[in-house]
Amino acid sequence: GAGVSQSPRYKVAKRGQDVALRCDPISGHVSLFWYQQALGQGPEFLTYFQNEAQLDKSGLPSDRFFAERPEGSVSTLKIQRTQQEDSAVYLCASSLEGTGVHYGYTFGSGTRLTVV
Amino acid sequence: AQSVAQPEDQVNVAEGNPLTVKCTYSVSGNPYLFWYVQYPNRGLQFLLKYITGDNLVKGSYGFEAEFNKSQTSFHLKKPSALVSDSALYFCAVSGGLGGYQKVTFGIGTKLQVIP
Repeated sequence: GAGVSQSPRYKVAKRGQDVALRCDPISGHVSLFWYQQALGQGPEFLTYFQNEAQLDKSGLPSDRFFAERPEGSVSTLKIQRTQQEDSAVYLCASSLEGTGVHYGYTFGSGTRLTVV
Repeated sequence: AQSVAQPEDQVNVAEGNPLTVKCTYSVSGNPYLFWYVQYPNRGLQFLLKYITGDNLVKGSYGFEAEFNKSQTSFHLKKPSALVSDSALYFCAVSGGLGGYQKVTFGIGTKLQVIP
């Protein structure tokens, strides 16, 4: 596709439920990033893939968060046993080259997760 | 740790007037600096970046930003604001110990251009 596609656009989960958020990056983009944006805040780094390799997961807030990109294209962010503090917009971004600094990131529209 | 400060929650400017959105940063080593814009219900869009070279960088939609190393600033500017520029603007930095792939964003500044 022409841009980064994220699904679902909105997700309401009951506390304790597991959720899976999907990101389809731009075809051919090497790098893929997940960010969490709480209400009124800037995006905060969660994790980073270069092709299928997860090179940095230092931003994942707890071991309930898990991300994968098994074939180097589509990525899934999974949150187990969701808590209210997980409510946020989850943004996915991709970049043509390794770091994203030369071409910038292309962001998806995000998935708004509400935990009730 | 690297960080970005955007001291203004909101900037109001009349259409046709010049606009400035402020940003200061903190990072060890040489910074890579970025501006992104976010329109309602849409993803962030890349505007411009500074990596090296000329301190004045030009980006999309007529925006530019000036890198000032001594003041650790990277303010976003535009000579003549349009109503369609109204959006949320994020300054971001990478580099130093965090590596260049981990980009740290500010909390954003809402720009309101008044007709």
